[in-house]
Amino acid sequence: AQSVTQPDIHITVSEGASLELRCNYSYGATPYLFWYVQSPGQGLQLLLKYFSGDTLVQGIKGFEAEFKRSQSSFNLRKPSVHWSDAAEYFCAVGLKAAGNKLTFGGGTRVLVKP
Amino acid sequence: KAGVTQTPRYLIKTRGQQVTLSCSPISGHRSVSWYQQTPGQGLQFLFEYFSETQRNKGNFPGRFSGRQFSNSRSEMNVSTLELGDSALYLCASSLDGGISYEQYFGPGTRLTVT
Repeated sequence: AQSVTQPDIHITVSEGASLELRCNYSYGATPYLFWYVQSPGQGLQLLLKYFSGDTLVQGIKGFEAEFKRSQSSFNLRKPSVHWSDAAEYFCAVGLKAAGNKLTFGGGTRVLVKP
Repeated sequence: KAGVTQTPRYLIKTRGQQVTLSCSPISGHRSVSWYQQTPGQGLQFLFEYFSETQRNKGNFPGRFSGRQFSNSRSEMNVSTLELGDSALYLCASSLDGGISYEQYFGPGTRLTVT
């Protein structure tokens, strides 16, 4: 069955430390891949996306993600976390044949310690 | 440019009632998608409308319906509300159909069913 998995429900990181959020997908073909962030009381904001080409993708707010076909993974990273990065992060996949439908992972809540 | 707006932002209804939520996409956007977000099930795709036609539908009962008007504004309706329908309902708009177009999310409507 097609699925998106974010293995970590919560991650706590110190301000200034690096952050890596994991995402694994199970699809027959390489889907379109996205990372979204949701701050409390707000909607989702797109951080970055991968469709094809260079497997290292740069996004907004200093985030990057690496697509690894062999591992069916699309992990999100940030070298140095700021307190404002505390939020919930969602990995999502889409298929060209499915219009704008996104299938989301369960989310990872990031807490930032001062 | 104004973002995606959703009205109302908060709503309290009683079991058995029906509810209508509204979504105004970004000006010029023709695609509107709806998602339900709950702590237990996460983010789940409800349906997508493009040029007033439902193009895609998720796995929700027939109590959930929607429509899109000629100005691209969209409404979703839930009839015979159940406690489990309590959720944050998000809509997203994109310029055109197709997964390669960025989707912009609204802040959501928080529905509580008592």
